[in-house]
Amino acid sequence: DIQMTQSPSSLSASVGDRVTITCRASQGISNSLAWIQQKPGKAPKSLIYGASTLRSGVPSKFSGSGSGTDFTLTISSLQPEDFATYFCQQYNSYPLTFGGGTKVEV
Amino acid sequence: EVQLVESGGGLVQPGGSLRLSCATSGFTYSSYRLNWVRQAPGKGLEWVANINQDGSETYYVDSVKGRFTISGDYVKKSFYLQLNSLRAEDTAVYYCGKGVAFEIWGQGTMVTVSS
Repeated sequence: DIQMTQSPSSLSASVGDRVTITCRASQGISNSLAWIQQKPGKAPKSLIYGASTLRSGVPSKFSGSGSGTDFTLTISSLQPEDFATYFCQQYNSYPLTFGGGTKVEV
Repeated sequence: EVQLVESGGGLVQPGGSLRLSCATSGFTYSSYRLNWVRQAPGKGLEWVANINQDGSETYYVDSVKGRFTISGDYVKKSFYLQLNSLRAEDTAVYYCGKGVAFEIWGQGTMVTVSS
């Protein structure tokens, strides 16, 4: 199974900050990597697939990069609605696996 | 509008069974693999099972193999998760998702396994 390791597990930030979250796969997954946002008590929401392609309607302040084993999610200017937990997920092979999550809080 | 709507969750005793449903709309059902994912209280996301477009190919996480079964109904544009031999550790919100990169998620249905 491919293990997905996110860091940090949590971070404190302020409105306007640039935030970067990293995700490392235990083996190469090409660009088969998605980023998912989840707010408390809500269903997850897809932000990015193919490591760097924004889903329709996702603001351009979100960006993703990486290939192989190392990936990053960047939020260029944090806004109040961005405080949430972010998960990476690989879909290169089964079982599909998620990172442990990064909680972005004030 | 693309939508996934889960139903069928509830409280069940250890060893019991439940059948979850995911009704889909707004997209071509036969074009996507469909998934079940769960989230235990206060925990992260865990992929559970996946089915291909015509229902001929399924995958499961090891912890549910032999106990859970995923199936689909092309006519009803719905897919299902049969949960048997339930354990306390199966307690979670169960989400259905479209595509292997989870383009769209349902709102979730809670399954509680407790005596």
